[in-house]
Amino acid sequence: NAGVTQTPKFRVLKTGQSMTLLCAQDMNHEYMYWYRQDPGMGLRLIHYSVGEGTTAKGEVPDGYNVSRLKKQNFLLGLESAAPSQTSVYFCASSYRRGLRGYTFGSGTRLTVV
Amino acid sequence: ILNVEQSPQSLHVQEGDSTNFTCSFPSSNFYALHWYRWETAKSPEALFVMTLNGDEKKKGRISATLNTKEGYSYLYIKGSQPEDSATYLCAFCASGGSYIPTFGRGTSLIVHP
Repeated sequence: NAGVTQTPKFRVLKTGQSMTLLCAQDMNHEYMYWYRQDPGMGLRLIHYSVGEGTTAKGEVPDGYNVSRLKKQNFLLGLESAAPSQTSVYFCASSYRRGLRGYTFGSGTRLTVV
Repeated sequence: ILNVEQSPQSLHVQEGDSTNFTCSFPSSNFYALHWYRWETAKSPEALFVMTLNGDEKKKGRISATLNTKEGYSYLYIKGSQPEDSATYLCAFCASGGSYIPTFGRGTSLIVHP
């Protein structure tokens, strides 16, 4: 089925470990986004990309890095995980900035102990 | 950081009740307003994207209105059903910047049979 696929779905990390979350979309969307969702905080934008090879910081970028080497993939990296990064991470993509609704992935639940 | 407020934070209604909730956003630099439905353990799904003052959108028993001059949008659900139970998110896109939507914290709707 067409859509946005996130891997992994669940992960437990120890403080200081690193990991990469993968987001893949098959809708030929230009724009891709990474959000984190925390209780009472809603969805907060971490980083986004408006095309292959481009990335930009969102509202809460510290402690994360991203790459968009291929149009269909958007990777979110945690170099040295901290307990404050325990969250549910959502990837999303869209055709055009703001004029079409986002398509979201199913989320990655990350726990840092 | 743009201020996007949703009210109420949560709402409990009986099956068959009609209900509505509000999204408030800045009244300047309006570009687009999104509404999403987010069921527990799933990912947000786009309901409406609204771009013009006075816009009204409808999808089944759910409808939305938009007032960009005063900075608010209403979401209405007519004859609520238990399957309407979800969190409803709005997201505001401002012109002149990144055009990336800023999400409100959502209204949690629970419909009791």
